[in-house]
Amino acid sequence: DVKVTQSSRYLVKRTGEKVFLECVQDMDHENMFWYRQDPGLGLRLIYFSYDVKMKEKGDIPEGYSVSREKKERFSLILESASTNQTSMYLCASLGGGNQPQHFGDGTRLSIL
Amino acid sequence: GENVEQHPSTLSVQEGDSAVIKCTYSDSASNYFPWYKQELGKRPQLIIDIRSNVGEKKDQRIAVTLNKTAKHFSLHITETQPEDSAVYFCAASKGNAGNMLTFGGGTRLMVKP
Repeated sequence: DVKVTQSSRYLVKRTGEKVFLECVQDMDHENMFWYRQDPGLGLRLIYFSYDVKMKEKGDIPEGYSVSREKKERFSLILESASTNQTSMYLCASLGGGNQPQHFGDGTRLSIL
Repeated sequence: GENVEQHPSTLSVQEGDSAVIKCTYSDSASNYFPWYKQELGKRPQLIIDIRSNVGEKKDQRIAVTLNKTAKHFSLHITETQPEDSAVYFCAASKGNAGNMLTFGGGTRLMVKP
């Protein structure tokens, strides 16, 4: 069974801080994704990566960056956190073939 | 880019009734349409998906229909049970098996016992 693990379930940070959200998958998947989930807006794609050191912008990349130094780990970085980045963040991974995306449990991030 | 709209945003049904959630998409090149269920405090999980070469797919009490001409697809849940209560998301993709998914806004389904 695919396991996607996000490092924190809940996180509280202050405005202006640099914030790291970590995601690890154990299935050797090439593709990894970061989404933001807000009520009524569904899941919106922030960034995705299709290989080590490769990244592509999603629909809402502003204020975020990502890092994929190893295949199993995909990090989301808030360079200077702002209150409008308070949200639920979901990581997902996807292997080859006709398989669905598998999600982590999410990180509920609050920026004060 | 792709735009997916989902209706209704909330849906309340009596246990045993049917529930229908509808989604429309904008990009005619989209060819993969998954549905995810997210229970409170849990991760979204795939419950059913359909590809554009198929008009309907069933899995026990769940079915999905796709109308490519009208660019809309629907989730049907029959004989609803309290454990069906969750938020449901539709999504659309042009890639293989869910790459670059665009999600709808979600539907909160409440099944009253």
